[in-house]
Amino acid sequence: GDSVTQMEGPVTLSEEAFLTINCTYTATGYPSLFWYVQYPGEGLQLLLKATKADDKGSNKGFEATYRKETTSFHLEKGSVQVSDSAVYFCALWTGGYNKLIFGAGTRLAVHP
Amino acid sequence: DGGITQSPKYLFRKEGQNVTLSCEQNLNHDAMYWYRQDPGQGLRLIYYSQIVNDFQKGDIAEGYSVSREKKESFPLTVTSAQKNPTAFYLCASSMLAGTGELFFGEGSRLTVL
Repeated sequence: GDSVTQMEGPVTLSEEAFLTINCTYTATGYPSLFWYVQYPGEGLQLLLKATKADDKGSNKGFEATYRKETTSFHLEKGSVQVSDSAVYFCALWTGGYNKLIFGAGTRLAVHP
Repeated sequence: DGGITQSPKYLFRKEGQNVTLSCEQNLNHDAMYWYRQDPGQGLRLIYYSQIVNDFQKGDIAEGYSVSREKKESFPLTVTSAQKNPTAFYLCASSMLAGTGELFFGEGSRLTVL
């Protein structure tokens, strides 16, 4: 079945370091891909999305490119801040089944 | 401000009791969802509803029930049949069913004593 695999956390970085969180997926058809972020004690917020191959989603300095050939949607940011500390979820939407399939989440901790 | 309101934020329950978690949205969204979050397992879909008076089971519906009598409201009941109910429960909504862009509430943490 359809699934999303994320790199295990926690990821611990110093402020201004480069961030990559890997995400790969398995899906039939052509899913839409998403990154959601969950700050401590809160619900999830949509961070960025891409709906077709080679699309790049971007928001708040984060970017991810929909790579169909490698079935990947890795999240990147050039310079992280302490305020980026959160749990990041990669997700796919297959459309026909009306549900969003989430990865397990990757916790990011940024220290000064 | 528009958004999704979940209540209560924290809830403690004794074994064998049913509890109902509230979810209200004022975004005028058609679709609403309930997810369960456990550490290290991501989010799993319990139930979803695309229109009033209609809802479908998700991946882990056993031991849960829902209703959708109003567009704004989608309460979740955790029954005594749910074997492991301690978890973080998230309600979400979307403008159009089938887009993947969900708006989430802040969640309700249920602990069974």
